[in-house]
Amino acid sequence: NAGVTQTPKFQVLKTGQSMTLQCAQDMNHNSMYWYRQDPGMGLRLIYYSASEGTTDKGEVPNGYNVSRLNKREFSLRLESAAPSQTSVYFCASSDRSRSPLHFGNGTRLTVT
Amino acid sequence: DAKTTQPPSMDCAEGRAANLPCNHSTISGNEYVYWYRQIHSQGPQYIIHGLKNNETNEMASLIITEDRKSSTLILPHATLRDTAVYYCIVRVFDTDKLIFGTGTRLQVFP
Repeated sequence: NAGVTQTPKFQVLKTGQSMTLQCAQDMNHNSMYWYRQDPGMGLRLIYYSASEGTTDKGEVPNGYNVSRLNKREFSLRLESAAPSQTSVYFCASSDRSRSPLHFGNGTRLTVT
Repeated sequence: DAKTTQPPSMDCAEGRAANLPCNHSTISGNEYVYWYRQIHSQGPQYIIHGLKNNETNEMASLIITEDRKSSTLILPHATLRDTAVYYCIVRVFDTDKLIFGTGTRLQVFP
């Protein structure tokens, strides 16, 4: 039982390149989330998905797209990376109602 | 979503109780208080949550004031491994959005 798995763990991109961050959970959770954390800051919600087939914007969605491929997987895509997107990206999942979020260990992205 | 206010940093001696305050004066009747912590750069870890009654689990206790405008997370016997950033969050019942603030950096010293 791995919980929430994020790939890759580290990535360096040049400005303008694109990439997809992958997230998968094996807890049969309905909801999945993408957060970013800039150095010395708290987490900011990018997008979330309440269930398979639905996605909603969070606090900072600009520059990102997401896909809820199935119940297990929720991917985050950067179409044209910018240095301002240098951050640590965390994926999380939870059941609905009052269940707590379970987080992955993050993807550390640097855009040069 | 209600906002929370936490002190940016606190210190605590090892073995003593760590009491971390959180203000959520605009909390609504259906919003729960959640606490998470983040050790180094790992993913945040769930600690505890509550609505209006005090709650206790194996990690911590949560004390919510009667008017629900503030709460305190208590780590009864802090250890060096409890050094982390602690986040207090309010969450509307049965919704999927969880907004983090900047948290309190707790330093436990020997």
